[in-house]
Amino acid sequence: GAVVSQHPSRVICKSGTSVKIECRSLDFQATTMFWYRQFPKQSLMLMATSNEGSKATYEQGVEKDKFLINHASLTLSTLTVTSAHPEDSSFYICSARDLETGWREQYFGPGTRLTVT
Amino acid sequence: AQKVTQAQTEISVVEKEDVTLDCVYETRDTTYYLFWYKQPPSGELVFLIRRNSFDEQNEISGRYSWNFQKSTSSFNFTITASQVVDSAVYFCALMRGTSYGKLTFGQGTILTVHP
Repeated sequence: GAVVSQHPSRVICKSGTSVKIECRSLDFQATTMFWYRQFPKQSLMLMATSNEGSKATYEQGVEKDKFLINHASLTLSTLTVTSAHPEDSSFYICSARDLETGWREQYFGPGTRLTVT
Repeated sequence: AQKVTQAQTEISVVEKEDVTLDCVYETRDTTYYLFWYKQPPSGELVFLIRRNSFDEQNEISGRYSWNFQKSTSSFNFTITASQVVDSAVYFCALMRGTSYGKLTFGQGTILTVHP
C-alpha cells in the first residue's frame, strides 16, 4: 500500500526557534498534501492544504506566517513552525492524496510530536 | 458547514463484549464520503472504511461492521467480540464531494477493552 513518512517523529525545540517537519510520499506521487494538528485527547483539525507548485490554502484561524508550508515536489511537503511557542506543542499529521487513484484516497503519515520548551 | 459528532467520549468494555461506536454527521451536500479511522497509542491513523453517500449497504469486515443510515445521518461502527488490541481512539470523518480530500473529523471515541 501507499506509504507516507514524516520526519522527524519527535522534536523538542526551545521557544522562539523554528522547526521544520517533512512529509514524504514514498511510493506514489501526491499533488495534494494536507496538514492536520491534534492536541492531546482532541480531534484532528485541518490546518492547510498543500498543492505542488502553488501556495498552500490555509483554514480559517491558522496563521500563514507562523506555519509556513512548501510543496516543492510531487513527493515532499514541508511545514515550518516559525518562532515556536509552548502553545504550538502538538501532534502534527500530514496526509497525501495519490495522483493516480484520485482524491478519495489519501494516506496518513505517522505524525510528528512537537514539544516547545 | 460540515459537522461530525461522536457523542461517546469514552467507552470501556470487557474483552469479548460487542461495542458500538456512534457517529452522526451534518452536511447539505448530496455527494459526500464517510470514513472511520483507528488511532492506536502510537498515533498513526489506520484507515478502516470509506462509504459514499449513495451506498447505504452495510458492510462487514471480520469482527467489524458498519451501519450507514442516511435517514438519521448516522454511520455507526460495531466491533463484535472485542479484543484488547482494539483499544484505541476511533474517529469518524466526513469528506464533501467537492472538497478534494479535506476531512472533517469527529471528536473521537476512546475505546478501552479490558482483559
